[in-house]
Amino acid sequence: AQTVTQSQPEMSVQEAETVTLSCTYDTSESDYYLFWYKQPPSRQMILVIRQEAYKQQNATENRFSVNFQKAAKSFSLKISDSQLGDAAMYFCAYRRDRDDKIIFGKGTRLHILP
Amino acid sequence: DSGVTQTPKHLITATGQRVTLRCSPRSGDLSVYWYQQSLDQGLQFLIQYYNGEERAKGNILERFSAQQFPDLHSELNLSSLELGDSALYFCASSVANRDLGNTIYFGEGSWLTVV
Repeated sequence: AQTVTQSQPEMSVQEAETVTLSCTYDTSESDYYLFWYKQPPSRQMILVIRQEAYKQQNATENRFSVNFQKAAKSFSLKISDSQLGDAAMYFCAYRRDRDDKIIFGKGTRLHILP
Repeated sequence: DSGVTQTPKHLITATGQRVTLRCSPRSGDLSVYWYQQSLDQGLQFLIQYYNGEERAKGNILERFSAQQFPDLHSELNLSSLELGDSALYFCASSVANRDLGNTIYFGEGSWLTVV
């Protein structure tokens, strides 16, 4: 069964600094999809970034980028120029294929220090 | 706004009661997913429907049931409620499109409090 592991329950970063959240996953599939979702205090689930396993290029969305290491089954999220609004729970997620459910990690709570 | 609509947003009910949570997926999305998130917990997959048919089942209790209707909206029925059922229940939907990364979009959730 596929699993997603986030080894950092909590992290803190100074405002304007860069932080990297770690995620590893386990799968025997060669084609799949990876996501990072943000859940602020409002508890809404917001898609931050997605990566298709068949694409070698790492995805980037403004200040958010990923380091996708397919062989190592690693999918880390880098947040540059951290802002107070980035404070949230971040979930790494895996999806095997279209129409399949998403499997979530347990989350990393990110604190931004002013 | 994700385009996924959930009602009610908040619900308080007593133990032993039954409630129904409703979800309207994004226009064109055939798949609907239900997730449960208890306080300070991750998201637990409950059940998935695709075009009216049950596609996958996760950690869904026997007291819970769901269905997807011909107009693609879905309902999650929770019965014989217990205090431990208090949680945020998310509905999500997705479009099967390889170019869009097969993203799942979440509604704002239904807060259920059992007292």
